[in-house]
Amino acid sequence: QVHLVESGGGVVQPGGSLRLSCAVSGFTLSGYGMHWVRLAPGKGLEWLAVISHNGANEFYADSVKGRLTVSRDNSKNTVFLHMNTVRPEDTGVYYCARDVGSAWNYPDYWGQGTLVTVSS
Amino acid sequence: IVLTQSPGTLSLSPGERATLSCRASQNIGPNLLAWYQQRPGQPPRLLIYEAFTRATGISDRFSGSGSGTDFTLSISRLEPEDFATYYCHQYGATPFTFGPGTKVDI
Repeated sequence: QVHLVESGGGVVQPGGSLRLSCAVSGFTLSGYGMHWVRLAPGKGLEWLAVISHNGANEFYADSVKGRLTVSRDNSKNTVFLHMNTVRPEDTGVYYCARDVGSAWNYPDYWGQGTLVTVSS
Repeated sequence: IVLTQSPGTLSLSPGERATLSCRASQNIGPNLLAWYQQRPGQPPRLLIYEAFTRATGISDRFSGSGSGTDFTLSISRLEPEDFATYYCHQYGATPFTFGPGTKVDI
């Protein structure tokens, strides 16, 4: 059974950093691309980034390019989202999601999300 | 690619039909568009991919159509659990994007 669990969320001050983790089980992580998507309060879903199955390629939304970085450790069945120089508008629930394939298509399975609050 | 969804909110009753629209700022080829349902406090659930293919386990009350820049999600005979927010998502060009969502409420 495919399972994704995000962790690492919490309260962080503006300008600070945070690392989110996404632990997966029930499938072989090295065979799939992985996405990060967030849901800000009162807003809709925002696609943030995707990393290919082997970590060789990444793509980012323009709004987060240069501040967010996605990485993965297939040996540990974990994907990461590194958040730097965070802003209040980065507040939201962050979801990791499995791509249906090895690179970039659409996400099929999603985690329950982890809440990030950027506030002083 | 910017996605626009209409209407923003759709107020309907159980048993009625819902028609949701998603318009793209440029051609999405070849029909690389998905639809997701999200209920409050839950992650998104994949409904449709490649514009009209239902995901595994999705009721045939959900159907997708369209091509190019105009796409539609139809929900026949609304059930109580269908009242949620629906998002279209294009994966035809990076950066991938979601539409702003259509909330279907009672």
